[in-house]
Amino acid sequence: NAGVTQTPKFRILKIGQSMTLQCTQDMNHNYMYWYRQDPGMGLKLIYYSVGAGITDKGEVPNGYNVSRSTTEDFPLRLELAAPSQTSVYFCASRTGASGMLGRYEQYFGPGTRLTVT
Amino acid sequence: QKEVEQDPGPLSVPEGAIVSLNCTYSNSAFQYFMWYRQYSRKGPELLMYTYSSGNKEDGRFTAQVDKSSKYISLFIRDSQPSDSATYLCASMDSNYQLIWGAGTKLIIKP
Repeated sequence: NAGVTQTPKFRILKIGQSMTLQCTQDMNHNYMYWYRQDPGMGLKLIYYSVGAGITDKGEVPNGYNVSRSTTEDFPLRLELAAPSQTSVYFCASRTGASGMLGRYEQYFGPGTRLTVT
Repeated sequence: QKEVEQDPGPLSVPEGAIVSLNCTYSNSAFQYFMWYRQYSRKGPELLMYTYSSGNKEDGRFTAQVDKSSKYISLFIRDSQPSDSATYLCASMDSNYQLIWGAGTKLIIKP
């Protein structure tokens, strides 16, 4: 299993540009998450999904959009990039299957480092 | 007040020392607590989790939760340079979302 994969690893955007961060998991997990991590600030939840076709906002959703058309993929869309969106973005997934030990454990991808200038 | 507070450090200790990493949380309803380890330029990975109060041991690592004082601790015995990383604590809220501390950067000096 590759686990959670994210592309691209790095990206520099100009203010006002748009882009999509890709996330794919091959563990058949129902739950998927997008976080951003800023220095000294921990992880902030942007959006999450409990299954294909279902998404919901997290703590910091403004400026972002998501979709979940398949179990495997959970892309994050940035529209009209702003310098405040400069951050490291992590995608994560977990099973959520009842009765399973560790069903709350989130598995993380390697991250995408985004700079908006 | 943040729901989960954690000193970002850095914390620098000599190899072989016992390390104590700590978090406090404000919501008494939190029941599930996790410690993640994050190496530089990598994603976090689960180190340990505990449910409610008490201790849990796994090799050189011990996680401790004191619900009366809302205090979460991670102890590392016989620390190694390979333990150098950022350690993130997290608590699960009633919606099964993780609320994260800021992370403590740990440096083990050979």
